[in-house]
Amino acid sequence: EVQLVESGGDLVQPGGSLRLSCAVSGFTFSNLYMNWVRQAPGKGLEWVGRTKNKANSYTTEYAASVKGRFTISRDDSKNSVYLQMNSLETEDTAVYYCATEGSSPGPDFDHWGQGTLVTVSS
Amino acid sequence: QSVLTQPPSASGTPGQRVTISCSGSSSNIGNNYVYWYQQLPGTAPKLLIYRNNQRPSGVPDRFSGSKSGTSASLAISGLRSEDEADYYCAAWDDSLSGGVFGGGTKLTVL
Repeated sequence: EVQLVESGGDLVQPGGSLRLSCAVSGFTFSNLYMNWVRQAPGKGLEWVGRTKNKANSYTTEYAASVKGRFTISRDDSKNSVYLQMNSLETEDTAVYYCATEGSSPGPDFDHWGQGTLVTVSS
Repeated sequence: QSVLTQPPSASGTPGQRVTISCSGSSSNIGNNYVYWYQQLPGTAPKLLIYRNNQRPSGVPDRFSGSKSGTSASLAISGLRSEDEADYYCAAWDDSLSGGVFGGGTKLTVL
């Protein structure tokens, strides 16, 4: 059974840092591209970024809104992907989802986690 | 302001056919595949349509997607109460080098 489980969401002050984790099972994780997508309260979906697989040099790509502040990494030995968030702003308050990327080019997010809530507030 | 433009709301009665539009540009929809997601209240999004008009296994054939130029549409026929949800279109944007979503359309089944 395919399962993605995010963790690490918390209340953090503006300017602070937080690391989210996403554990994946039911897949050959090392072959996957992994994405992070967020959703601010009552708002729509926003692509945050992705990491490609080893065959594609673990290349990472980010949305302009988080570039330079957020870093996506992965540990294939632990079937996990991470989102390191620094210099957090109130606008980063959102539910953060990890999602697997299917075989079609583009935002082909075929499996999602349940999400983890990040609240940035003083 | 989202890169892809969707109407904020749509509605229909049970059994009816409704369509949701998604407008973009040559850097996204015009040259890339379109994807559609359904998000039921309080749950994670679910892939509904991939590669413009393909349905993943388990998605009813009441749902269909199409694309023409820089616009795309999601059609739902034989509307059911359980279709009440938020629907999002998505595509890769070559200029932004990233994924982009529409602002979402809230579908109400009257």
